Amino acid sequence: GENVEQHPSTLSVQEGDSAVIKCTYSDSASNYFPWYKQELGKRPQLIIDIRSNVGEKKDQRIAVTLNKTAKHFSLHITETQPEDSAVYFCAGAEGAQKLVFGQGTRLTINP
Amino acid sequence: DTEVTQTPKHLVMGMTNKKSLKCEQHMGHRAMYWYKQKAKKPPELMFVYSYEKLSINESVPSRFSPECPNSSLLNLHLHALQPEDSALYLCASSQLSGDEQFFGPGTRLTVL
Repeated sequence: GENVEQHPSTLSVQEGDSAVIKCTYSDSASNYFPWYKQELGKRPQLIIDIRSNVGEKKDQRIAVTLNKTAKHFSLHITETQPEDSAVYFCAGAEGAQKLVFGQGTRLTINP
Repeated sequence: DTEVTQTPKHLVMGMTNKKSLKCEQHMGHRAMYWYKQKAKKPPELMFVYSYEKLSINESVPSRFSPECPNSSLLNLHLHALQPEDSALYLCASSQLSGDEQFFGPGTRLTVL
């Protein structure tokens, strides 16, 4: 089955700087890669996703890149703000139902 | 209504109790999910229902029994749980043809 590794486990950046979180996956059949943000005590919420037929996707300050050959994908957050502080989970799946999550990255934005 | 709701928010139960968790969505989604999330860990998929039929069971112990009475409701029946089953139980739903899974706020379960 799929195995998703995520790094780093914690990340601290200055407000306004960029943050990058990286994930690798094992199953070459996986074709859907979402990123979820989970604030303390809250539900996970999708922030961006990418399918394997696309190399990059951007939504305002958030972008995701996918390298199918290397089986890795990354989340990029630019111009970070205090409200970006949360735990971020990457995930992979063949189709979109059987999501396998990475271990999470706790992102802290320092004012 | 664009939210998934779950009841109760908190549940404390003994190892001999029987209880149920409830999940509801009115977005017309035909796929519904149960996840288990331990503290500081990612959600782990337990069950998937597609068109009210169980399509994925991730080798979950039989003390957890899911039920999908209709396209809007999903239940998780709990019986003879162990203290290690204490966790946040998340429900989610999605379009069958779509990608995004919408999560509910979860039920925080404590087994004494």
